Amino acid sequence: DAKTTQPPSMDCAEGRAANLPCNHSTISGNEYVYWYRQIHSQGPQYIIHGLKNNETNEMASLIITEDRKSSTLILPHATLRDTAVYYCIVRSQEGAQKLVFGQGTRLTINP
Amino acid sequence: EAQVTQNPRYLITVTGKKLTVTCSQNMNHEYMSWYRQDPGLGLRQIYYSMNVEVTDKGDVPEGYKVSRKEKRNFPLILESPSPNQTSLYFCASSWGRVNTEAFFGQGTRLTVV
Repeated sequence: DAKTTQPPSMDCAEGRAANLPCNHSTISGNEYVYWYRQIHSQGPQYIIHGLKNNETNEMASLIITEDRKSSTLILPHATLRDTAVYYCIVRSQEGAQKLVFGQGTRLTINP
Repeated sequence: EAQVTQNPRYLITVTGKKLTVTCSQNMNHEYMSWYRQDPGLGLRQIYYSMNVEVTDKGDVPEGYKVSRKEKRNFPLILESPSPNQTSLYFCASSWGRVNTEAFFGQGTRLTVV
């Protein structure tokens, strides 16, 4: 599975959009981009995933560049409860049945 | 409510005393797995199971055992715990390996003294 690179930390004001970038320049054609987050020491929580098209659900939007070498997770109206570590994971359909979590981005939402 | 339940949430034990951490899911998921999380090392997979009676090693299986006798349960067994197994443990389940989200339990914080 391709390696991902994320900034170690980011800050965002409450009510603003939080845009979390992820680089995955070695991604291959059959690999999906997944986003999870972990609030404090709770179990990771699935947010969204996509292959090449932009995706949106009730939690967030995922924007994948046309060359698929990077993506951005967007939390449209961040709240204090969105403070967490966000993990970008690239995973293939044929890969091992596991999620490879990097160090993620520690997002702090400030009041 | 769809959930993955781990027990206990917290455990302090002594070196060498066998223990079992239970994991149960109510979503009829085929895939289940165990991860441990340590500072600076992130989450690492210990064991996984693709279905009943089918288990396989993850990245850090040494010192652990698992079993999958029923679809809903996937216990993690430490036959002889050691201090280096002090960690935060998570169980996860999902429908299958393709395009599916994984559901995680709330975690078990284990301390071995």
